[in-house]
Amino acid sequence: GAVVSQHPSWVICKSGTSVKIECRSLDFQATTMFWYRQFPKQSLMLMATSNEGSKATYEQGVEKDKFLINHASLTLSTLTVTSAHPEDSSFYICSARGRDLREKLFFGSGTQLSVL
Amino acid sequence: AQSVTQLGSHVSVSEGALVLLRCNYSSSVPPYLFWYVQYPNQGLQLLLKYTTGATLVKGINGFEAEFKKSETSFHLTKPSAHMSDAAEYFCAVSTSFSGGYNKLIFGAGTRLAVHP
Repeated sequence: GAVVSQHPSWVICKSGTSVKIECRSLDFQATTMFWYRQFPKQSLMLMATSNEGSKATYEQGVEKDKFLINHASLTLSTLTVTSAHPEDSSFYICSARGRDLREKLFFGSGTQLSVL
Repeated sequence: AQSVTQLGSHVSVSEGALVLLRCNYSSSVPPYLFWYVQYPNQGLQLLLKYTTGATLVKGINGFEAEFKKSETSFHLTKPSAHMSDAAEYFCAVSTSFSGGYNKLIFGAGTRLAVHP
């Protein structure tokens, strides 16, 4: 089946630094990618949706200047957490889908971000 | 707005026993319902989904779920648990194909433990 590779699986950074998380579709063209965030004991919350070559659409309450999403190719999307703070510590998961809206979503394995 | 409630963040069963993971949803329109499983260090995988038609849905690995509109529930069951079923399970709801089929609203997840 299709595979989505997400890196890194975990990252620790100092407050004020930026962190980039990559999400790659390995054997299909991901026209749409979704970024989720999960705090402990809470649901996965959709942060933004990105279509290849277009600006991302952010969910209400998600700061687009803080969480920069780039989806420049059909196989790669990146999420950059800029000027990270301890409250940004969370589990981030990407998912990808091909052109057909009825296609399954394929999820990355997630990235645990800890900001000191 | 849609929401999902998973009752029980942790469920423990004996090998061979019935597995029941509970999911209740809230939706103002007919929902599309999903169950995903996440094994350690892996991405979420689709177990099964309900869109339209038969309310009893069979998925992979012997799991099934029944959509009960009157109870707004979509509980996941498996007649006999196996050690390999130990994982995190997520229930999710979406609203429509064309209007954001993959814009999923997740529950907080239920961690299933299976003991000998």
